[in-house]
Amino acid sequence: NAGVTQTPKFQVLKTGQSMTLQCAQDMNHEYMSWYRQDPGMGLRLIHYSVGAGITDQGEVPNGYNVSRSTTEDFPLRLLSAAPSQTSVYFCASSPQGLAVSYEQYFGPGTRLTVT
Amino acid sequence: DAKTTQPPSMDCAEGRAANLPCNHSTISGNEYVYWYRQIHSQGPQYIIHGLKNNETNEMASLIITEDRKSSTLILPHATLRDTAVYYCIVRSGANFGNEKLTFGTGTRLTIIP
Repeated sequence: NAGVTQTPKFQVLKTGQSMTLQCAQDMNHEYMSWYRQDPGMGLRLIHYSVGAGITDQGEVPNGYNVSRSTTEDFPLRLLSAAPSQTSVYFCASSPQGLAVSYEQYFGPGTRLTVT
Repeated sequence: DAKTTQPPSMDCAEGRAANLPCNHSTISGNEYVYWYRQIHSQGPQYIIHGLKNNETNEMASLIITEDRKSSTLILPHATLRDTAVYYCIVRSGANFGNEKLTFGTGTRLTIIP
C-alpha cells in the first residue's frame, strides 16, 4: 500500500489564486481529514469526512472547501488564496472514523506559500 | 476533549530510556490517551494509545496513572532517530461525529549522542 499520498509537495500561489490540494489513500479508510500546521504550532483541523458524500467543518474551515465523492480521495480547495493560508497542510485517514480508538495515518504534507 | 499539558522540551542521552510526561487532569471516563510524534516536518506518526491499562508495543510503553490524570510515554532505548516533537492527545472514543484529534504544541525531544 502507498498509504496516504499528497500532491503537490510544494506550491507557491499569488494572493487571490485558487488551487486544489490532492489527497488519496489506498487503505479503504472511511475517515479522512485535513490539518494545517503553522510554524511553532500544533496541527489544527480544517475539515473532515466520515465517509463518501459526508463532510464537516473542523476548527479552522474558513477559506477552504472540501468534497468526498469517493472513499479514496479527499481534495482541499482554496478558492481565493490569502497570505494567512501560508502553511503546511497534512491529510490523514483512519478506518471507520475515530468513534472507536483507531490511529490516524498522515500524509507527507504540502508546503504552501501565498505571496 | 480534555486538555493536555506537556513540557515544551526535553533532552535524553542516546541508549537511555526517554520518559515523556503528560498531564490531563480533566480527562473523563470514556476518553483515550493517544501519543503521536512528528519528525522534522514530516506527517505525524501514531505511537500508542490507551484507556486505563498500561500499554506496550514495538515502539513504546504507555503508563497511565490509576486516577488517569496523567500519563508517561516511555521510549525504552532512545536513538538519534527518536528526536522529534511528541504530542499527547486525549479524545473521546465513544462520540461518533466528533472525529478529530486536537494537537497541542507537544514536547520537543532531543536525543543527545
